[in-house]
Amino acid sequence: GQNIDQPTEMTATEGAIVQINCTYQTSGFNGLFWYQQHAGEAPTFLSYNVLDGLEEKGRFSSFLSRSKGYSYLLLKELQMKDSASYLCALQGGDYKLSFGAGTTVTVRA
Amino acid sequence: IAGITQAPTSQILAAGRRMTLRCTQDMRHNAMYWYRQDLGLGLRLIHYSNTAGTTGKGEVPDGYSVSRANTDDFPLTLASAVPSQTSVYFCASSDSQGGADTQYFGPGTRLTVL
Repeated sequence: GQNIDQPTEMTATEGAIVQINCTYQTSGFNGLFWYQQHAGEAPTFLSYNVLDGLEEKGRFSSFLSRSKGYSYLLLKELQMKDSASYLCALQGGDYKLSFGAGTTVTVRA
Repeated sequence: IAGITQAPTSQILAAGRRMTLRCTQDMRHNAMYWYRQDLGLGLRLIHYSNTAGTTGKGEVPDGYSVSRANTDDFPLTLASAVPSQTSVYFCASSDSQGGADTQYFGPGTRLTVL
Protein backbone atom coordinates (compact mmCIF):
# COMPACT_ATOMS: atom_id res chain seq x y z
CA GLY A 1 0.00 0.00 0.00
CA GLN A 2 0.90 3.62 -0.23
CA ASN A 3 0.52 4.44 3.52
CA ILE A 4 -0.37 8.06 2.96
CA ASP A 5 -0.62 10.03 6.19
CA GLN A 6 -2.10 13.46 6.82
CA PRO A 7 -3.20 15.16 10.03
CA THR A 8 -6.92 14.76 10.62
CA GLU A 9 -7.72 18.34 11.56
CA MET A 10 -6.10 21.77 11.70
CA THR A 11 -7.42 25.12 12.88
CA ALA A 12 -6.06 28.52 11.93
CA THR A 13 -7.00 32.17 12.07
CA GLU A 14 -8.16 34.25 9.11
CA GLY A 15 -5.14 35.90 7.45
CA ALA A 16 -2.67 33.37 8.84
CA ILE A 17 -0.63 30.66 7.10
CA VAL A 18 -1.26 26.95 7.47
CA GLN A 19 0.95 24.07 6.29
CA ILE A 20 -0.65 20.67 5.72
CA ASN A 21 1.84 17.83 5.67
CA CYS A 22 1.53 14.58 3.76
CA THR A 23 3.92 11.70 4.27
CA TYR A 24 3.93 8.47 2.31
CA GLN A 25 5.76 5.17 1.93
CA THR A 26 6.00 3.89 -1.61
CA SER A 27 8.68 2.60 -3.90
CA GLY A 28 7.75 4.84 -6.79
CA PHE A 29 5.08 7.10 -8.18
CA ASN A 30 4.46 9.50 -11.06
CA GLY A 31 3.42 12.55 -9.12
CA LEU A 32 1.51 13.92 -6.16
CA PHE A 33 -1.82 15.76 -6.25
CA TRP A 34 -3.58 18.03 -3.80
CA TYR A 35 -7.35 18.42 -3.97
CA GLN A 36 -9.70 20.70 -2.03
CA GLN A 37 -13.09 19.43 -0.94
CA HIS A 38 -15.73 21.62 0.68
CA ALA A 39 -18.27 19.84 2.84
CA GLY A 40 -20.89 18.09 0.73
CA GLU A 41 -19.13 18.88 -2.53
CA ALA A 42 -16.80 17.18 -5.00
CA PRO A 43 -13.01 17.29 -4.71
CA THR A 44 -11.48 19.98 -6.94
CA PHE A 45 -7.93 19.99 -8.27
CA LEU A 46 -5.44 22.32 -6.56
CA SER A 47 -1.93 21.28 -7.55
CA TYR A 48 0.30 18.59 -9.01
CA ASN A 49 3.97 18.02 -8.22
CA VAL A 50 6.09 15.69 -10.30
CA LEU A 51 9.53 17.14 -9.56
CA ASP A 52 11.01 17.97 -6.18
CA GLY A 53 10.50 21.55 -5.12
CA LEU A 54 7.85 24.17 -4.71
CA GLU A 55 4.94 24.86 -7.06
CA GLU A 56 3.22 28.18 -6.39
CA LYS A 57 -0.30 29.12 -7.45
CA GLY A 58 -1.43 32.37 -5.91
CA ARG A 59 -2.15 31.87 -2.20
CA PHE A 60 -1.55 28.12 -2.45
CA SER A 61 1.82 26.39 -2.81
CA SER A 62 2.73 22.72 -2.83
CA PHE A 63 6.09 21.17 -2.11
CA LEU A 64 7.46 17.70 -2.83
CA SER A 65 10.56 15.89 -1.61
CA ARG A 66 10.75 12.39 -3.07
CA SER A 67 13.84 11.45 -1.07
CA LYS A 68 12.10 12.32 2.21
CA GLY A 69 8.70 10.84 1.27
CA TYR A 70 7.08 14.14 2.08
CA SER A 71 4.85 16.81 0.61
CA TYR A 72 3.10 19.82 2.03
CA LEU A 73 0.39 22.23 0.95
CA LEU A 74 0.86 25.80 2.11
CA LEU A 75 -2.17 28.07 2.36
CA LYS A 76 -1.33 31.75 2.81
CA GLU A 77 -3.53 34.71 3.76
CA LEU A 78 -6.24 32.36 4.92
CA GLN A 79 -9.83 33.25 4.13
CA MET A 80 -13.01 31.85 5.61
CA LYS A 81 -13.77 30.16 2.29
CA ASP A 82 -10.59 28.07 2.70
CA SER A 83 -12.36 26.03 5.39
CA ALA A 84 -12.45 22.63 3.69
CA SER A 85 -10.80 19.24 3.56
CA TYR A 86 -7.52 18.94 1.71
CA LEU A 87 -6.69 15.60 0.12
CA CYS A 88 -3.21 14.36 -0.72
CA ALA A 89 -3.07 11.74 -3.49
CA LEU A 90 -0.24 9.76 -5.05
CA GLN A 91 -0.42 8.96 -8.74
CA GLY A 92 0.97 5.49 -9.38
CA GLY A 93 2.74 4.27 -12.46
CA ASP A 94 -0.62 3.17 -13.87
CA TYR A 95 -1.95 6.74 -13.38
CA LYS A 96 -4.36 5.56 -10.66
CA LEU A 97 -4.68 7.76 -7.58
CA SER A 98 -4.31 6.64 -3.98
CA PHE A 99 -5.74 9.14 -1.53
CA GLY A 100 -4.92 10.01 2.03
CA ALA A 101 -7.84 10.36 4.44
CA GLY A 102 -7.73 14.15 4.13
CA THR A 103 -7.10 17.07 6.49
CA THR A 104 -10.03 19.23 7.60
CA VAL A 105 -8.97 22.85 7.95
CA THR A 106 -11.15 25.22 9.94
CA VAL A 107 -10.50 28.94 9.53
CA ARG A 108 -11.65 31.08 12.45
CA ALA A 109 -12.29 34.80 12.38
CA ILE B 1 -20.48 22.51 -20.60
CA ALA B 2 -21.62 20.51 -17.57
CA GLY B 3 -18.43 18.49 -17.02
CA ILE B 4 -19.46 15.42 -15.07
CA THR B 5 -22.99 14.75 -13.89
CA GLN B 6 -24.15 12.04 -11.51
CA ALA B 7 -27.62 10.76 -10.73
CA PRO B 8 -29.31 10.43 -8.38
CA THR B 9 -28.03 13.08 -5.95
CA SER B 10 -29.06 10.89 -3.04
CA GLN B 11 -30.90 7.64 -2.51
CA ILE B 12 -32.18 5.53 0.34
CA LEU B 13 -32.26 1.87 -0.58
CA ALA B 14 -33.46 -1.30 1.12
CA ALA B 15 -30.86 -4.02 1.56
CA GLY B 16 -31.00 -6.62 -1.19
CA ARG B 17 -32.23 -4.20 -3.83
CA ARG B 18 -30.42 -3.56 -7.08
CA MET B 19 -29.25 -0.01 -7.78
CA THR B 20 -27.45 1.72 -10.65
CA LEU B 21 -25.64 4.98 -10.13
CA ARG B 22 -25.27 6.99 -13.31
CA CYS B 23 -22.31 9.05 -14.44
CA THR B 24 -21.99 11.06 -17.64
CA GLN B 25 -19.17 13.31 -18.82
CA ASP B 26 -19.11 15.65 -21.79
CA MET B 27 -15.37 16.34 -21.87
CA ARG B 28 -14.55 13.38 -24.17
CA HIS B 29 -12.16 12.05 -21.54
CA ASN B 30 -10.79 8.57 -22.17
CA ALA B 31 -10.61 7.40 -18.57
CA MET B 32 -13.36 7.23 -15.97
CA TYR B 33 -13.37 6.14 -12.34
CA TRP B 34 -15.72 5.31 -9.49
CA TYR B 35 -14.74 6.04 -5.87
CA ARG B 36 -16.47 5.70 -2.55
CA GLN B 37 -15.74 8.11 0.28
CA ASP B 38 -16.22 7.09 3.88
CA LEU B 39 -15.43 9.11 6.97
CA GLY B 40 -11.85 8.60 8.08
CA LEU B 41 -10.96 6.45 5.09
CA GLY B 42 -10.71 8.91 2.26
CA LEU B 43 -11.52 8.15 -1.35
CA ARG B 44 -11.12 4.52 -2.42
CA LEU B 45 -11.18 3.36 -6.03
CA ILE B 46 -13.94 0.85 -6.85
CA HIS B 47 -13.63 0.36 -10.62
CA TYR B 48 -12.10 2.23 -13.50
CA SER B 49 -12.15 2.32 -17.28
CA ASN B 50 -9.15 3.46 -19.32
CA THR B 51 -11.19 3.69 -22.52
CA ALA B 52 -14.60 2.76 -23.88
CA GLY B 53 -15.08 -1.00 -23.92
CA THR B 54 -12.58 -1.76 -21.13
CA THR B 55 -12.94 -1.84 -17.35
CA GLY B 56 -10.74 -2.76 -14.41
CA LYS B 57 -10.98 -3.43 -10.70
CA GLY B 58 -9.80 -0.94 -8.12
CA GLU B 59 -9.10 -1.30 -4.43
CA VAL B 60 -12.65 -2.20 -3.29
CA PRO B 61 -14.54 -3.80 -6.22
CA ASP B 62 -16.54 -6.49 -4.40
CA GLY B 63 -20.31 -6.05 -4.69
CA TYR B 64 -20.03 -3.58 -7.57
CA SER B 65 -19.97 -3.86 -11.35
CA VAL B 66 -19.44 -1.34 -14.14
CA SER B 67 -19.76 -1.10 -17.89
CA ARG B 68 -18.38 1.34 -20.45
CA ALA B 69 -20.39 1.06 -23.63
CA ASN B 70 -19.34 4.51 -24.88
CA THR B 71 -16.98 7.37 -23.99
CA ASP B 72 -19.50 9.47 -22.07
CA ASP B 73 -21.24 7.05 -19.71
CA PHE B 74 -19.92 4.91 -16.87
CA PRO B 75 -22.70 3.42 -14.71
CA LEU B 76 -21.98 1.68 -11.40
CA THR B 77 -24.31 -1.16 -10.36
CA LEU B 78 -24.87 -2.65 -6.94
CA ALA B 79 -26.46 -6.02 -7.69
CA SER B 80 -27.73 -6.63 -4.15
CA ALA B 81 -27.09 -3.70 -1.83
CA VAL B 82 -25.81 -4.23 1.72
CA PRO B 83 -25.60 -1.69 4.57
CA SER B 84 -21.79 -1.55 4.31
CA GLN B 85 -22.26 0.04 0.90
CA THR B 86 -23.70 3.13 2.56
CA SER B 87 -21.32 5.82 1.38
CA VAL B 88 -20.84 8.83 -0.87
CA TYR B 89 -19.96 7.76 -4.40
CA PHE B 90 -17.94 9.97 -6.72
CA CYS B 91 -17.39 9.49 -10.42
CA ALA B 92 -14.31 11.06 -12.01
CA SER B 93 -12.76 11.33 -15.45
CA SER B 94 -9.38 12.20 -16.91
CA ASP B 95 -7.94 12.85 -20.33
CA SER B 96 -5.41 10.04 -19.94
CA GLN B 97 -3.10 11.45 -22.62
CA GLY B 98 -0.02 11.48 -20.42
CA GLY B 99 1.27 14.36 -18.39
CA ALA B 100 -0.57 15.13 -15.18
CA ASP B 101 -3.70 13.18 -16.20
CA THR B 102 -5.69 15.22 -13.68
CA GLN B 103 -8.93 13.64 -12.52
CA TYR B 104 -12.08 15.76 -12.39
CA PHE B 105 -14.89 14.74 -10.10
CA GLY B 106 -18.66 14.72 -10.35
CA PRO B 107 -20.88 16.11 -7.57
CA GLY B 108 -21.38 12.72 -5.90
CA THR B 109 -24.26 10.43 -4.96
CA ARG B 110 -25.07 9.91 -1.30
CA LEU B 111 -26.35 6.35 -0.88
CA THR B 112 -27.89 4.93 2.27
CA VAL B 113 -28.62 1.21 2.45
CA LEU B 114 -30.98 0.17 5.23
